[in-house]
Amino acid sequence: AQSVTQLDSHVSVSEGTPVLLRCNYSSSYSPSLFWYVQHPNKGLQLLLKYTSAATLVKGINGFEAEFKKSETSFHLTKPSAHMSDAAEYFCVVSEPTGFQKLVFGTGTRLLVSP
Amino acid sequence: DAGVTQSPTHLIKTRGQQVTLRCSPKSGHDTVSWYQQALGQGPQFIFQYYEEEERQRGNFPDRFSGHQFPNYSSELNVNALLLGDSALYLCASQTGGADQPQHFGDGTRLSIL
Repeated sequence: AQSVTQLDSHVSVSEGTPVLLRCNYSSSYSPSLFWYVQHPNKGLQLLLKYTSAATLVKGINGFEAEFKKSETSFHLTKPSAHMSDAAEYFCVVSEPTGFQKLVFGTGTRLLVSP
Repeated sequence: DAGVTQSPTHLIKTRGQQVTLRCSPKSGHDTVSWYQQALGQGPQFIFQYYEEEERQRGNFPDRFSGHQFPNYSSELNVNALLLGDSALYLCASQTGGADQPQHFGDGTRLSIL
């Protein structure tokens, strides 16, 4: 069975500094990996997805993630944090089968201070 | 272009009651999945509907059931509500293959008293 582990429950950064949210995955298959963001009392918005094409994936709002098979990692980065980036971030894995069951990590709360 | 819409946004029920939550998928999407998100947790997969049939189910009891209509909209029904069913219930829709992203609604916040 596939799973993801988000290594930090909370990450605090200052506005304008880089963001790193860490995620390790476990999958018997070549996985599809996603990062979703959730703002308070809102649903989930897709930031980016990896589906076995380029290992460096660019997403919305300046975020990107790098798939490293040797390290089973899919860390999310952004060069410069903005106050509006404060939210909960979920690393997600699914199997590339005929239907898509998403398995979510426990989430990382990103706090951005002025 | 409307995204995924869910109703109601909030709901309060008491233990033992039954509840129905509704979801309209994004235009052009034919597959609907439901997730339960307890406070402070990541969403957990309940089940997925395609062509009006449940085609995969997560680790949830039979008290949780669903339906998909010919227009692809969907309902989630929960019977004999327990305090532990208090959560945000999210609906997601997609089209095409397994590598297509799921689009989420804003959810229904269900509180059980």
